[in-house]
Amino acid sequence: DAGVIQSPRHEVTEMGQEVTLRCKPISGHNSLFWYRQTMMRGLELLIYFNNNVPIDDSGMPEDRFSAKMPNASFSTLKIQPSEPRDSAVYFCASSLTGILYEQYFGPGTRLTVT
Amino acid sequence: KQEVTQIPAALSVPEGENLVLNCSFTDSAIYNLQWFRQDPGKGLTSLLLIQSSQREQTSGRLNASLDKSSGRSTLYIAASQPGDSATYLCATPSTQKLVFGQGTRLTINP
Repeated sequence: DAGVIQSPRHEVTEMGQEVTLRCKPISGHNSLFWYRQTMMRGLELLIYFNNNVPIDDSGMPEDRFSAKMPNASFSTLKIQPSEPRDSAVYFCASSLTGILYEQYFGPGTRLTVT
Repeated sequence: KQEVTQIPAALSVPEGENLVLNCSFTDSAIYNLQWFRQDPGKGLTSLLLIQSSQREQTSGRLNASLDKSSGRSTLYIAASQPGDSATYLCATPSTQKLVFGQGTRLTINP
């Protein structure tokens, strides 16, 4: 398997623009996680899907953030409008089922908002 | 609330040494504990997952141990190599999320 695939790998955008990050989980994995990593706050879970249904979105910082999982092989994280403080590395991870199983991370998307 | 701590934040050792990385957690009622490696600018790579019923888990030169009663896990790296240089994170699931330590940045000097 190719592992978790994320695109784009790097994104530079201006404040106020819409940003869409994409993730393809490992085939056969039923759970998908979006994380954000910054030097100040470390790794934070933003949202977690199980069988395409959001289970916990308590980590989504504001209404500007939204995530969807229209099918088992694709998820998006959207920021609209983006702000400089959103600059971070965003990771997608997947597991067989839920948080109790081993999580496999994608390479991340480095987002810079100017 | 589960809290995970990794001390020290950074460690530098000469090549060839055996070393131990530490991970402490506050709530001993854990389900499992996972060790990850993160190279600069890259994602996390899962190294080992140790279940609560296990005391040890081994993969190659890596050995993870778990002592729930003392709230500790250790990652032992044998015969360290420069390629082992990375940040090592531990994490355990708690209330619908993985709780991560801040990581130990390991440098192996040739």
